[in-house]
Amino acid sequence: DTGVSQDPRHKITKRGQNVTFRCDPISEHNRLYWYRQTLGQGPEFLTYFQNEAQLEKSRLLSDRFSAERPKGSFSTLEIQRTEQGDSAMYLCAAVDYNEQFFGPGTRLTVL
Amino acid sequence: GIQVEQSPPDLILQEGANSTLRCNFSDSVNNLQWFHQNPWGQLINLFYIPSGTKQNGRLSATTVATERYSLLYISSSQTTDSGVYFCAVVYSGAGSYQLTFGKGTKLSVIP
Repeated sequence: DTGVSQDPRHKITKRGQNVTFRCDPISEHNRLYWYRQTLGQGPEFLTYFQNEAQLEKSRLLSDRFSAERPKGSFSTLEIQRTEQGDSAMYLCAAVDYNEQFFGPGTRLTVL
Repeated sequence: GIQVEQSPPDLILQEGANSTLRCNFSDSVNNLQWFHQNPWGQLINLFYIPSGTKQNGRLSATTVATERYSLLYISSSQTTDSGVYFCAVVYSGAGSYQLTFGKGTKLSVIP
């Protein structure tokens, strides 16, 4: 089963606040990705985990962003000091036989 | 990096009509996937098709990797087919095998 859950589904926050999102693949998957999607665009790669190791980060991932996958299962993405430009859909994907399957996403609105 | 272009950007169809969506990419790829994004933002896997032809019900896809394009065919369209269709590729030179998405084709099927 390649199901992926994400929590929360929606988050509204004020500029300057910190937020944390969680991604849970239903079964064990070595590879896990985070993407960000803004209105009218396709998703863009943010970062990649192989088990618990974060192996690549996009230049989109500023110093205010941090991601972890402590036990190689679930992953968290934290944004510190949120800005209005961080408003987007944040998507998590797990990989099964080279095919990526996405969770429902967390829609972040920064006021 | 690799460029992914989808056409047309918008498409309006009468229910029952057929359509062809195109995806061009600028470099060699290891993987190509087609997704349908529903109104709630969920990316639904349609095809994993790095090469060749596949069919699933009213949908079929063809990828000609040597000529750097893929086509998604929708036959006998239904209103439930409405949404945004994304093509996404894994560039052969991408060490982390992340997907690069096009901007999508927004399909509207009217009764």
